[in-house]
Amino acid sequence: GAVVSQHPSWVICKSGTSVKIECRSLDFQATTMFWYRQFPKQSLMLMATSNEGSKATYEQGVEKDKFLINHASLTLSTLTVTSAHPEDSSFYICSPKTGDYEQYFGPGTRLTVT
Amino acid sequence: GDSVTQMEGPVTLSEEAFLTINCTYTATGYPSLFWYVQYPGEGLQLLLKATKADDKGSNKGFEATYRKETTSFHLEKGSVQVSDSAVYFCALTPSNTGKLIFGQGTTLQVKP
Repeated sequence: GAVVSQHPSWVICKSGTSVKIECRSLDFQATTMFWYRQFPKQSLMLMATSNEGSKATYEQGVEKDKFLINHASLTLSTLTVTSAHPEDSSFYICSPKTGDYEQYFGPGTRLTVT
Repeated sequence: GDSVTQMEGPVTLSEEAFLTINCTYTATGYPSLFWYVQYPGEGLQLLLKATKADDKGSNKGFEATYRKETTSFHLEKGSVQVSDSAVYFCALTPSNTGKLIFGQGTTLQVKP
């Protein structure tokens, strides 16, 4: 099956700093990338959708200047949480999608902002 | 808007017991329906799917039938194993959007 990696798997940062999360599709090319966040015991909430080489489309209520998404290549996408605050602490999951409709998921990155 | 509701967990069963995890949805049009599974420390994996009414998705002994009349997509397995312990997510894709909308997830614990 398709392999998706996320780095780091867990990060702790201080309030006001920025954190970059990488998502790589290791054995396939992702034409579309979805980014989700998940709070404890809650569902995955879609944050944004990006297509390779294009600007991301953000869901209602998601601050595009706070959550910067870059999808510069078909195998790498990054999510940067800028000026992080404790309320940004969450589990972030990338989900690359190939052109054949199948959607895969990374193992997630747990962000804790102190 | 479109939404998915799952039964709350955790669900705790003994090995070889029958499993049902209820899932109902609200959607306009003709969504596709999915069950995803998340094992500890891993990403979500597609377990099964159904793309139209009365379709039955099946995989690894799990089954779910797309019931449009009851807007349901309940997950069933006749005999669970310890290795089935995981979090199960019901999800839908509204027509022609490609975006997945998830239920809140149900944790299944199977004891030997």
